[in-house]
Amino acid sequence: AQSVTQLGSHVSVSEGALVLLRCNYSSSVPPYLFWYVQYPNQGLQLLLKYTSAATLVKGINGFEAEFKKSETSFHLTKPSAHMSDAAEYFCAVLGGGSQGNLIFGKGTKLSVKP
Amino acid sequence: DSGVTQTPKHLITATGQRVTLRCSPRSGDLSVYWYQQSLDQGLQFLIQYYNGEERAKGNILERFSAQQFPDLHSELNLSSLELGDSALYFCASSVGGSPGLVISSEQYFGPGTRLTVT
Repeated sequence: AQSVTQLGSHVSVSEGALVLLRCNYSSSVPPYLFWYVQYPNQGLQLLLKYTSAATLVKGINGFEAEFKKSETSFHLTKPSAHMSDAAEYFCAVLGGGSQGNLIFGKGTKLSVKP
Repeated sequence: DSGVTQTPKHLITATGQRVTLRCSPRSGDLSVYWYQQSLDQGLQFLIQYYNGEERAKGNILERFSAQQFPDLHSELNLSSLELGDSALYFCASSVGGSPGLVISSEQYFGPGTRLTVT
């Protein structure tokens, strides 16, 4: 069965610092992986997705993620944090077989200090 | 704006009642997914419809049901409501989702309906 684990329910960084949000996956088949962001009182917005075309995936708002099969990881990074990046971030994997649903991690809340 | 609309934004109701949440997918999307977000369970998949047919079921209670209409909008019906059903309910849509095919298309989420059961 597919699953994702997000390490750290809360990450705090200073403005301008590197953002690193961790996600490890478990999958019996080549996974399709996603990162979503949720701002307070809003829906989820797709940041980026991995569908096996390239291991380094660039997304919106300066975020990128690298798929590492050997480490079963898909960590999200951004070189320089902005105050506007404060939000909750969710890693997700596509359900196995012919299922199209997403299986989400528990989320990581990112705080950005001035 | 994702192009997915959900109504109502907020819903407050009493235990034992029944409510209907509505979702309109993005233009051209055939699949609709329903998810529940709560503090204790996180984001959980409930059910998927593709072009009017039920495609996949997740952790959906028997008291909950859904359908997708010919115009592709979807409704999630929650009945005999309990305090524990209080949550954010999201609808998402995607282009893909047909039976027998591996889906790789991303899902676009609506703004959600916040249900409070008192």
